Amino acid sequence: GAVVSQHPSRVICKSGTSVKIECRSLDFQATTMFWYRQFPKQSLMLMATSNEGSKATYEQGVEKDKFLINHASLTLSTLTVTSAHPEDSSFYICSARVRGGGTIFSEQYFGPGTRLTVT
Amino acid sequence: AQSVAQPEDQVNVAEGNPLTVKCTYSVSGNPYLFWYVQYPNRGLQFLLKYITGDNLVKGSYGFEAEFNKSQTSFHLKKPSALVSDSALYFCAVRARMGSNSNSGYALNFGKGTSLLVTP
Repeated sequence: GAVVSQHPSRVICKSGTSVKIECRSLDFQATTMFWYRQFPKQSLMLMATSNEGSKATYEQGVEKDKFLINHASLTLSTLTVTSAHPEDSSFYICSARVRGGGTIFSEQYFGPGTRLTVT
Repeated sequence: AQSVAQPEDQVNVAEGNPLTVKCTYSVSGNPYLFWYVQYPNRGLQFLLKYITGDNLVKGSYGFEAEFNKSQTSFHLKKPSALVSDSALYFCAVRARMGSNSNSGYALNFGKGTSLLVTP
């Protein structure tokens, strides 16, 4: 089946530093990847939609200069949290839609998530 | 806006008993509804979806969901619960994201329901 990986699974960084999270589709090509944020005991909130070769589309309230998204290839998207602050601590989850998978009706395949802690 | 609501934070069921995890939706137009399951420190796994057709949708691991238009509900069900079904369950609806018409579609998730199946 379609597998999405994320690296790292867990990261602790100091306030003011930047951290990069990778999302890879391991056995399929994904023209569209999504980045979600999940707070404890809360739902997933979509941060941005990433299309290969073009700029990401950010949801309202998400700072694009703070959360840099790059979708350089059909199997890799990265999220960089710049100048991280403690309030950025969260669980970040990516998902990918299979290329040519039937457009809007296709399932999204989710990565295992990355736990970011900013001290 | 397309949204779903999961009224229960937690559902407790004894193993072997039937289980129901509730979800109601609020959409304009035809709803495209999904159920996902999340195990601890894991990504979301797709269970089933309703696009059109039969109101009873069968999915993975013996789960099914019934689309009820009059009650605007899409409850997840399983005839006989297993301890291994204990996890976090999310209902989701397809929604167009972003202010740009080219933003495409992503998923709006409910807050999640924690299912605990006891031996």
